[in-house]
Amino acid sequence: AQSVAQPEDQVNVAEGNPLTVKCTYSVSGNPYLFWYVQYPNRGLQFLLKYITGDNLVKGSYGFEAEFNKSQTSFHLKKPSALVSDSALYFCAVRDARSSASKIIFGSGTRLSIRP
Amino acid sequence: KAGVTQTPRYLIKTRGQQVTLSCSPISGHRSVSWYQQTPGQGLQFLFEYFSETQRNKGNFPGRFSGRQFSNSRSEMNVSTLELGDSALYLCASSLVAGGSTDTQYFGPGTRLTVL
Repeated sequence: AQSVAQPEDQVNVAEGNPLTVKCTYSVSGNPYLFWYVQYPNRGLQFLLKYITGDNLVKGSYGFEAEFNKSQTSFHLKKPSALVSDSALYFCAVRDARSSASKIIFGSGTRLSIRP
Repeated sequence: KAGVTQTPRYLIKTRGQQVTLSCSPISGHRSVSWYQQTPGQGLQFLFEYFSETQRNKGNFPGRFSGRQFSNSRSEMNVSTLELGDSALYLCASSLVAGGSTDTQYFGPGTRLTVL
Protein backbone atom coordinates (compact mmCIF):
# COMPACT_ATOMS: atom_id res chain seq x y z
CA ALA A 1 0.00 0.00 0.00
CA GLN A 2 1.19 3.49 -0.72
CA SER A 3 1.53 6.15 1.94
CA VAL A 4 3.03 9.56 2.47
CA ALA A 5 4.19 11.22 5.68
CA GLN A 6 4.74 14.84 6.54
CA PRO A 7 6.47 14.61 9.91
CA GLU A 8 6.05 18.26 10.88
CA ASP A 9 2.64 19.72 11.58
CA GLN A 10 4.09 23.23 11.57
CA VAL A 11 7.24 24.89 10.30
CA ASN A 12 8.19 28.40 11.39
CA VAL A 13 10.71 30.42 9.38
CA ALA A 14 11.81 34.05 9.36
CA GLU A 15 11.26 35.98 6.17
CA GLY A 16 14.31 35.85 3.92
CA ASN A 17 15.58 32.58 5.36
CA PRO A 18 15.52 29.30 3.45
CA LEU A 19 12.66 26.94 4.15
CA THR A 20 12.21 23.19 3.95
CA VAL A 21 8.99 21.22 4.28
CA LYS A 22 9.61 17.52 4.67
CA CYS A 23 7.89 14.62 2.95
CA THR A 24 8.61 10.90 2.87
CA TYR A 25 6.72 8.29 0.91
CA SER A 26 6.18 4.58 0.49
CA VAL A 27 5.04 2.90 -2.73
CA SER A 28 5.51 -0.51 -4.29
CA GLY A 29 6.65 0.77 -7.65
CA ASN A 30 8.14 4.02 -8.79
CA PRO A 31 6.51 7.12 -7.35
CA TYR A 32 4.86 10.08 -8.92
CA LEU A 33 5.20 12.85 -6.35
CA PHE A 34 3.34 16.14 -6.02
CA TRP A 35 3.31 19.24 -3.86
CA TYR A 36 0.24 21.40 -3.39
CA VAL A 37 -0.40 24.56 -1.37
CA GLN A 38 -3.66 25.61 0.22
CA TYR A 39 -4.48 29.15 1.28
CA PRO A 40 -7.33 29.83 3.74
CA ASN A 41 -10.77 29.08 2.33
CA ARG A 42 -9.31 28.00 -0.99
CA GLY A 43 -8.76 24.74 -2.81
CA LEU A 44 -5.36 23.20 -3.36
CA GLN A 45 -3.01 24.81 -5.85
CA PHE A 46 -0.46 22.73 -7.72
CA LEU A 47 3.19 23.67 -7.07
CA LEU A 48 5.29 21.00 -8.73
CA LYS A 49 5.64 17.31 -9.48
CA TYR A 50 8.28 14.66 -9.96
CA ILE A 51 7.69 12.02 -12.59
CA THR A 52 11.13 10.95 -13.75
CA GLY A 53 14.48 12.41 -14.69
CA ASP A 54 16.26 15.19 -12.86
CA ASN A 55 15.97 14.79 -9.10
CA LEU A 56 15.61 18.54 -8.58
CA VAL A 57 12.24 19.80 -9.69
CA LYS A 58 11.44 23.47 -10.01
CA GLY A 59 7.91 24.73 -9.58
CA SER A 60 5.73 27.76 -9.07
CA TYR A 61 6.48 30.77 -6.85
CA GLY A 62 10.19 29.92 -6.55
CA PHE A 63 9.64 26.54 -4.90
CA GLU A 64 11.66 23.47 -5.72
CA ALA A 65 11.75 19.92 -4.45
CA GLU A 66 14.43 17.27 -4.38
CA PHE A 67 13.61 13.63 -5.02
CA ASN A 68 15.80 11.24 -3.06
CA LYS A 69 15.10 7.63 -3.93
CA SER A 70 17.38 6.08 -1.31
CA GLN A 71 15.75 8.08 1.48
CA THR A 72 12.28 7.91 -0.13
CA SER A 73 11.92 11.62 0.38
CA PHE A 74 10.63 14.57 -1.60
CA HIS A 75 11.30 17.68 0.48
CA LEU A 76 9.97 21.05 -0.61
CA LYS A 77 12.41 23.95 -0.49
CA LYS A 78 12.70 27.64 -1.17
CA PRO A 79 15.91 29.67 -0.87
CA SER A 80 14.28 32.79 0.57
CA ALA A 81 10.90 32.69 2.31
CA LEU A 82 8.21 35.34 1.90
CA VAL A 83 5.44 36.17 4.35
CA SER A 84 3.01 35.36 1.53
CA ASP A 85 4.30 31.77 1.52
CA SER A 86 2.44 31.20 4.80
CA ALA A 87 -0.09 28.47 4.01
CA LEU A 88 -0.83 24.76 4.34
CA TYR A 89 1.34 22.49 2.21
CA PHE A 90 0.46 18.98 1.09
CA CYS A 91 2.71 16.31 -0.33
CA ALA A 92 1.06 13.56 -2.40
CA VAL A 93 2.15 10.30 -4.00
CA ARG A 94 0.82 8.02 -6.68
CA ASP A 95 2.19 4.58 -7.51
CA ALA A 96 3.35 4.63 -11.13
CA ARG A 97 3.13 0.85 -11.37
CA SER A 98 -0.65 0.68 -11.13
CA SER A 99 -2.94 2.22 -13.70
CA ALA A 100 -5.69 2.32 -11.09
CA SER A 101 -3.71 3.90 -8.28
CA LYS A 102 -5.10 6.79 -6.30
CA ILE A 103 -3.29 9.90 -5.22
CA ILE A 104 -2.60 9.73 -1.50
CA PHE A 105 -2.09 12.99 0.36
CA GLY A 106 -0.03 13.64 3.46
CA SER A 107 -1.55 15.22 6.53
CA GLY A 108 -0.26 18.65 5.62
CA THR A 109 2.33 21.02 7.08
CA ARG A 110 1.43 24.53 8.11
CA LEU A 111 4.16 26.93 7.08
CA SER A 112 4.35 30.19 8.99
CA ILE A 113 6.72 32.92 7.82
CA ARG A 114 7.33 35.71 10.32
CA PRO A 115 8.32 39.19 9.10
CA LYS B 1 -9.14 28.79 -19.49
CA ALA B 2 -11.59 28.68 -16.60
CA GLY B 3 -10.62 26.61 -13.58
CA VAL B 4 -12.57 23.98 -11.72
CA THR B 5 -15.81 25.36 -10.37
CA GLN B 6 -17.83 24.00 -7.50
CA THR B 7 -21.34 24.91 -6.42
CA PRO B 8 -22.55 25.82 -3.96
CA ARG B 9 -19.59 27.23 -2.04
CA TYR B 10 -21.32 27.02 1.32
CA LEU B 11 -24.12 24.80 2.54
CA ILE B 12 -25.85 24.30 5.86
CA LYS B 13 -27.95 21.20 6.40
CA THR B 14 -29.43 19.34 9.34
CA ARG B 15 -28.87 15.75 10.34
CA GLY B 16 -30.81 13.26 8.27
CA GLN B 17 -31.08 15.46 5.21
CA GLN B 18 -29.34 14.78 1.94
CA VAL B 19 -27.16 17.05 -0.12
CA THR B 20 -25.89 17.24 -3.70
CA LEU B 21 -22.68 19.02 -4.62
CA SER B 22 -21.69 19.93 -8.14
CA CYS B 23 -18.34 20.17 -9.89
CA SER B 24 -17.50 21.45 -13.36
CA PRO B 25 -14.00 20.43 -14.49
CA ILE B 26 -11.58 22.40 -16.58
CA SER B 27 -12.63 22.33 -20.22
CA GLY B 28 -11.19 19.24 -21.89
CA HIS B 29 -10.58 17.38 -18.64
CA ARG B 30 -12.34 14.04 -18.47
CA SER B 31 -11.47 12.87 -14.99
CA VAL B 32 -13.03 14.20 -11.81
CA SER B 33 -12.05 13.20 -8.28
CA TRP B 34 -13.69 14.11 -5.01
CA TYR B 35 -12.03 14.57 -1.62
CA GLN B 36 -13.23 15.27 1.89
CA GLN B 37 -11.07 17.58 3.99
CA THR B 38 -11.48 17.79 7.76
CA PRO B 39 -9.12 19.10 10.45
CA GLY B 40 -8.90 15.69 12.09
CA GLN B 41 -8.67 13.36 9.08
CA GLY B 42 -6.93 15.57 6.58
CA LEU B 43 -7.59 15.07 2.89
CA GLN B 44 -9.40 11.82 2.17
CA PHE B 45 -10.18 10.41 -1.27
CA LEU B 46 -13.84 9.75 -1.98
CA PHE B 47 -14.03 8.61 -5.60
CA GLU B 48 -12.80 9.21 -9.11
CA TYR B 49 -14.80 9.29 -12.33
CA PHE B 50 -13.64 9.07 -15.89
CA SER B 51 -15.92 9.01 -18.94
CA GLU B 52 -18.99 8.61 -16.74
CA THR B 53 -17.55 5.53 -15.01
CA GLN B 54 -16.35 5.28 -11.44
CA ARG B 55 -12.70 4.25 -11.67
CA ASN B 56 -11.71 4.32 -8.04
CA LYS B 57 -13.36 4.55 -4.67
CA GLY B 58 -12.18 5.46 -1.19
CA ASN B 59 -13.26 3.99 2.13
CA PHE B 60 -16.49 5.85 2.71
CA PRO B 61 -19.93 4.43 3.52
CA GLY B 62 -22.55 3.94 0.85
CA ARG B 63 -24.25 7.18 1.90
CA PHE B 64 -21.63 8.88 -0.25
CA SER B 65 -22.24 8.49 -3.95
CA GLY B 66 -21.39 10.27 -7.13
CA ARG B 67 -21.85 10.36 -10.83
CA GLN B 68 -20.40 11.95 -13.91
CA PHE B 69 -22.27 13.25 -16.90
CA SER B 70 -21.37 13.10 -20.57
CA ASN B 71 -20.01 16.66 -20.45
CA SER B 72 -17.64 15.54 -17.62
CA ARG B 73 -19.47 17.53 -14.98
CA SER B 74 -19.82 15.59 -11.77
CA GLU B 75 -22.08 15.52 -8.76
CA MET B 76 -21.66 13.90 -5.41
CA ASN B 77 -24.51 13.09 -3.08
CA VAL B 78 -24.53 12.44 0.63
CA SER B 79 -27.67 10.96 2.07
CA THR B 80 -28.79 10.81 5.69
CA LEU B 81 -26.32 13.44 6.78
CA GLU B 82 -24.42 13.03 10.04
CA LEU B 83 -22.64 15.67 12.11
CA GLY B 84 -19.33 14.09 11.13
CA ASP B 85 -19.99 14.84 7.46
CA SER B 86 -19.25 18.51 8.12
CA ALA B 87 -16.20 19.19 5.98
CA LEU B 88 -14.75 20.95 2.99
CA TYR B 89 -15.50 18.88 -0.11
CA LEU B 90 -12.97 19.36 -2.85
CA CYS B 91 -13.28 18.41 -6.47
CA ALA B 92 -10.26 17.99 -8.73
CA SER B 93 -10.06 17.48 -12.46
CA SER B 94 -7.38 16.07 -14.74
CA LEU B 95 -7.09 15.10 -18.36
CA VAL B 96 -7.09 11.36 -17.78
CA ALA B 97 -7.63 9.06 -14.86
CA GLY B 98 -5.68 6.88 -12.48
CA GLY B 99 -2.04 5.93 -12.52
CA SER B 100 -1.13 8.75 -14.82
CA THR B 101 1.35 11.57 -14.51
CA ASP B 102 -1.42 14.08 -14.97
CA THR B 103 -1.74 16.90 -12.50
CA GLN B 104 -5.01 17.28 -10.64
CA TYR B 105 -6.38 20.79 -10.50
CA PHE B 106 -8.63 21.62 -7.57
CA GLY B 107 -11.72 23.72 -7.23
CA PRO B 108 -12.31 26.07 -4.29
CA GLY B 109 -14.43 23.51 -2.46
CA THR B 110 -17.87 23.37 -0.93
CA ARG B 111 -18.02 23.96 2.81
CA LEU B 112 -20.75 21.71 4.22
CA THR B 113 -21.96 22.27 7.75
CA VAL B 114 -24.32 19.72 9.30
CA LEU B 115 -26.29 20.90 12.34
